[in-house]
Amino acid sequence: QQPVQSPQAVILREGEDAVINCSSSKALYSVHWYRQKHGEAPVFLMILLKGGEQKGHDKISASFNEKKQQSSLYLTASQLSYSGTYFCGTEDFDGGSQGNLIFGKGTKLSVKP
Amino acid sequence: DARVTQTPRDKVTEMGQEVTMRCQPILGHNTVFWYRQTMMQGLELLAYFRNRAPLDDSGMPKDRFSAEMPDATLATLKIQPSEPRDSAVYFCASGLVLGASGSKQFFGPGTRLTVL
Repeated sequence: QQPVQSPQAVILREGEDAVINCSSSKALYSVHWYRQKHGEAPVFLMILLKGGEQKGHDKISASFNEKKQQSSLYLTASQLSYSGTYFCGTEDFDGGSQGNLIFGKGTKLSVKP
Repeated sequence: DARVTQTPRDKVTEMGQEVTMRCQPILGHNTVFWYRQTMMQGLELLAYFRNRAPLDDSGMPKDRFSAEMPDATLATLKIQPSEPRDSAVYFCASGLVLGASGSKQFFGPGTRLTVL
C-alpha cells in the first residue's frame, strides 16, 4: 500500500523551516527518505528503523513513530540546495529487512532566495 | 566512487519495437530493483532481485515486460512490444540487505524512454 505524503508541495524562503509527513496504513519496518532534483535520480538521505529513532543529516532530520505508522522529515534553515522532490519509501516486512520499498508520490519543495 | 550505471540514457523508439535497458549494479550489492517514474504515477516498483533471483515482479505488465539478471554485474529490463504508454524514466537501483539492519538503495541515472 502506497504511503501518503503531505503536503504535496511547499514553497519556502531561504532560512525557513519545513516539515514533510509520510503515513502508512500498514505496520512499518523501516522508512527511507530520498531527494530527487529535476532530471536527476533520487538520492538517499536517511533510513529509520523500528524503534522510533530520530536521525539527522546536516540540517535535515527525521523521526519515525512506528505506533502511528508515520514518519516526518524536518528541514531546518532551508537552503537553495534543498529544492527538489522528497520521497518517503516504506518497508513493511516485519521479519527483517527485505530491501524493497513502496514510495509515496513525493513532496515538491521549492526554496526561493 | 561506486555507482549504478544504466544504458542507454535516452531511447526513442516506435510503437511495436523491442526495447532493452541495461543496468550494472554496484559491485557487492545483493539486491537490484527496477522502477518506472511518470508524472502521473510517481515511482513504481516493477521488479526486484535478491542474489540474482527474482523476488517480486508483480508491478510489471507480464505480457510485454520481462526482467532478468544473467549475472551479478548485469540486470536487464525488456519491453516487447513497446507502446506509447510505456514512455517514462526507468530507474535501476541496487542495495545491500544485511539481515535486520535495513538497506539504502542507490539509484542509477535512469533511462528516458519515449515510444512514438
